[in-house]
Amino acid sequence: GENVEQHPSTLSVQEGDSAVIKCTYSDSASNYFPWYKQELGKGPQLIIDIRSNVGEKKDQRIAVTLNKTAKHFSLHITETQPEDSAVYFCAAFSGGFKTIFGAGTRLFVKA
Amino acid sequence: GAVVSQHPSWVICKSGTSVKIECRSLDFQATTMFWYRQFPKQSLMLMATSNEGSKATYEQGVEKDKFLINHASLTLSTLTVTSAHPEDSSFYICSAPGAEGSGANVLTFGAGSRLTVL
Repeated sequence: GENVEQHPSTLSVQEGDSAVIKCTYSDSASNYFPWYKQELGKGPQLIIDIRSNVGEKKDQRIAVTLNKTAKHFSLHITETQPEDSAVYFCAAFSGGFKTIFGAGTRLFVKA
Repeated sequence: GAVVSQHPSWVICKSGTSVKIECRSLDFQATTMFWYRQFPKQSLMLMATSNEGSKATYEQGVEKDKFLINHASLTLSTLTVTSAHPEDSSFYICSAPGAEGSGANVLTFGAGSRLTVL
């Protein structure tokens, strides 16, 4: 089955700097890769996603890149702000309604 | 956008009692819903897939008789933790795929329910 690995587990950046979180997946059939942000005590919220027919997608300060050959995808947050502090999860979907999540990255943005 | 409402947001119960958590899709129909358990500082662990009008599909290692799932309508799934014990204390989250305008694989999550068993 699919396996998703996520790094780093913790990331601390200064406000205004960029943050990058990387994930790898194992199932070459996976075709949809969402990223979720989870704030303390809340459910995950979809922040951006990318499908396998696209290499890059951007939404304001957030971008995601996908390398299908290497089976890895990354989340890039530019000009980080304190409110970006949260846990971020990558995920991969390979059909059958099953979404496999990475272990999560705890992002701290220091003011 | 799509909204999944989950209640209660937190609940405290005595050991041996049962607790029911509800998950509702507010503006779309969900024939399938997912239930997750999340321990502190860990990822989401899929417990079961709730199917409207049929039995839930449980992941390996999840006790069916312990975690009862009912999906009686296209907008409501419930998770009942039966005879709860302190080790059942956790954060439980539901999600539903396929809200209108999104793909079948796009998940909308509820806000989660924190269960504390004394």
